[in-house]
Amino acid sequence: GESVGLHLPTLSVQEGDNSIINCAYSNSASDYFIWYKQESGKGPQFIIDIRSNMDKRQGQRVTVLLNKTVKHLSLQIAATQPGDSAVYFCAETYHNTDKLIFGTGTRLQVFP
Amino acid sequence: KAGVTQTPRYLIKTRGQQVTLSCSPISGHRSVSWYQQTPGQGLQFLFEYFSETQRNKGNFPGRFSGRQFSNSRSEMNVSTLELGDSALYLCASSQLVGTDTQYFGPGTRLTVL
Repeated sequence: GESVGLHLPTLSVQEGDNSIINCAYSNSASDYFIWYKQESGKGPQFIIDIRSNMDKRQGQRVTVLLNKTVKHLSLQIAATQPGDSAVYFCAETYHNTDKLIFGTGTRLQVFP
Repeated sequence: KAGVTQTPRYLIKTRGQQVTLSCSPISGHRSVSWYQQTPGQGLQFLFEYFSETQRNKGNFPGRFSGRQFSNSRSEMNVSTLELGDSALYLCASSQLVGTDTQYFGPGTRLTVL
């Protein structure tokens, strides 16, 4: 799995701004991708997912973009709020397995 | 619908002991996976179970084992604990393998002294 060190990449944004968190995935055979949010002391919480036959999917205030050519995934959060402060992980998996491979987390800090 | 539950939430053990962690999936979910989370290694896959069968195993020593019961509840066991086993152990469940979102429990925080 990927390493998530003590010094996570950090994205600091002002409340109300849009946030973009990026992730490079490792396996070109992966066909299902998920973004999770993890707050301190809690387990990862599902945010949004996308399958490899799509390149964009929108949820409430969140959008996931998938670029299979360069194996890149991004999470866009619109009008970022203080409650969005957390560590965000991308995860990939492939057909017929529930084995998730997690990417390096990104810490999102929202300041007023 | 209740979420994934894990017991105990916190556990302190000493080196050489063994520990058993429990996971109850969301009602109706038949697939259960386990992950270890540490600051140094991040989230790493341990096992995947479906219908009482282990489908996948991560790159962990044989001291780590697990099982799933007919009601889909799962347990994992770590024998001969080492200091490096201190971690947050997370359980996730989904309805079917490979097609559904996995939902995580709050984890069990294991500290090995």
